[in-house]
Amino acid sequence: QVQLVQSGAEVKKPGASVKVSCKASGYTFTSYFIYWVRQAPGQGLELMGVINPSGGTTNYARKFQGRVSMTRDTSTSTVYMDLSSLRSEDTAVYYCARQWLKASKWFDPWGQGTLVTVSS
Amino acid sequence: DIQMTQSPSSVSASVGDRVSITCRASQDVSNWLAWFQQKPGKAPKLLIYAASTLQSGVPSRFSGSGSGTDFTLTISSLQPEDFATYFCQQANSFPFTFGPGTKVEIK
Repeated sequence: QVQLVQSGAEVKKPGASVKVSCKASGYTFTSYFIYWVRQAPGQGLELMGVINPSGGTTNYARKFQGRVSMTRDTSTSTVYMDLSSLRSEDTAVYYCARQWLKASKWFDPWGQGTLVTVSS
Repeated sequence: DIQMTQSPSSVSASVGDRVSITCRASQDVSNWLAWFQQKPGKAPKLLIYAASTLQSGVPSRFSGSGSGTDFTLTISSLQPEDFATYFCQQANSFPFTFGPGTKVEIK
């Protein structure tokens, strides 16, 4: 079945960077976009951006441009989200989610989430 | 960015009750609207997309309606497993944005 498995929790200091991975299985990796969404503790959901694993093209939300980088490794069917210059407000659970159908904009399924804690 | 609002922010209901949640977009999103259910410590689950299409495997007690700027999620007969937080999300304009959520609690 289609599955997205994310890397484990991270603790980082302010100013550092974090790299979260999302390993896909159960489908043709290059056929579906992967989105990254984050959720601060007790808060709502926020889209960070999207990557097309086929060519590696990306589109980032304006809020994160300059600080986020999304890449992929087709040999391992893995997508990565790199966030730099971390601050306490970046403490959140980070999710990857697949485009549900080709050319659709719906998110399903989702990874299990990765908690990133930014603290001095 | 398109702003999404939801009402109410929380609702207390009993098993068997009919519950409706409203979502409003700051501009026309046509039918590019999805609803998600999220339980504590879990990832969101897609319930409805294109405003009214039920995702595969989702019980028929869930339904969605609306277009343009005003949308509604209805649970016709609340079940114990439905106590959760519900989010709407617009997919008309990037960056796709989410509502703040509605928590459905046990009365």
